[in-house]
Amino acid sequence: DAGITQSPRHKVTETGTPVTLRCHQTENHRYMYWYRQDPGHGLRLIHYSYGVKDTDKGEVSDGYSVSRSKTEDFLLTLESATSSQTSVYFCATGRTNTEAFFGQGTRLTVV
Amino acid sequence: GQQVMQIPQYQHVQEGEDFTTYCNSSTTLSNIQWYKQRPGGHPVFLIQLVKSGEVKKQKRLTFQFGEAKKNSSLHITATQTTDVGTYFCAGPGSNYKLTFGKGTLLTVNP
Repeated sequence: DAGITQSPRHKVTETGTPVTLRCHQTENHRYMYWYRQDPGHGLRLIHYSYGVKDTDKGEVSDGYSVSRSKTEDFLLTLESATSSQTSVYFCATGRTNTEAFFGQGTRLTVV
Repeated sequence: GQQVMQIPQYQHVQEGEDFTTYCNSSTTLSNIQWYKQRPGGHPVFLIQLVKSGEVKKQKRLTFQFGEAKKNSSLHITATQTTDVGTYFCAGPGSNYKLTFGKGTLLTVNP
């Protein structure tokens, strides 16, 4: 979806380093989500936001934090990257929590 | 917490055959959504169903929402190679969450 941009698209990082992924939207959507996708696990919710500065944990939030200081941006931080966090990360947005429009994804490798 | 389960996990068909994937929720849903993810791509929103017993069609795709609003199905008639991908259902949960099933990977043999 053209209005949702994830950066970076690919990243290789070392174990123990902090990593921040950015999701930027131009849709003025209220809801934003971070999911990770791993083989056999589908899309698992990490954190989500239902408004500026309003965030909550998903099902796999350990080791991750988020911030949303303005409508357009939702940042996902891996506080100290581990190999188990190697994954594809998707940001999604929606006008309500009954729809989700996804970004292109970020492929993160932790070595 | 809410769980959304999909079956089958994988389905391989010959081109021209029909395909169906099923979605079941542990709780009653206000609505259910379906998404498609092509290999190497990102999930794309297909449709939302809201009413009990609702049936919607998009060309060869038929979506159905169960009477109890706890299950749904996606049926593809006469599959084509362009239908290849993973199909996900998703339902809204508590506190604005959006929970996805694990998806059904469809492969089509030409």
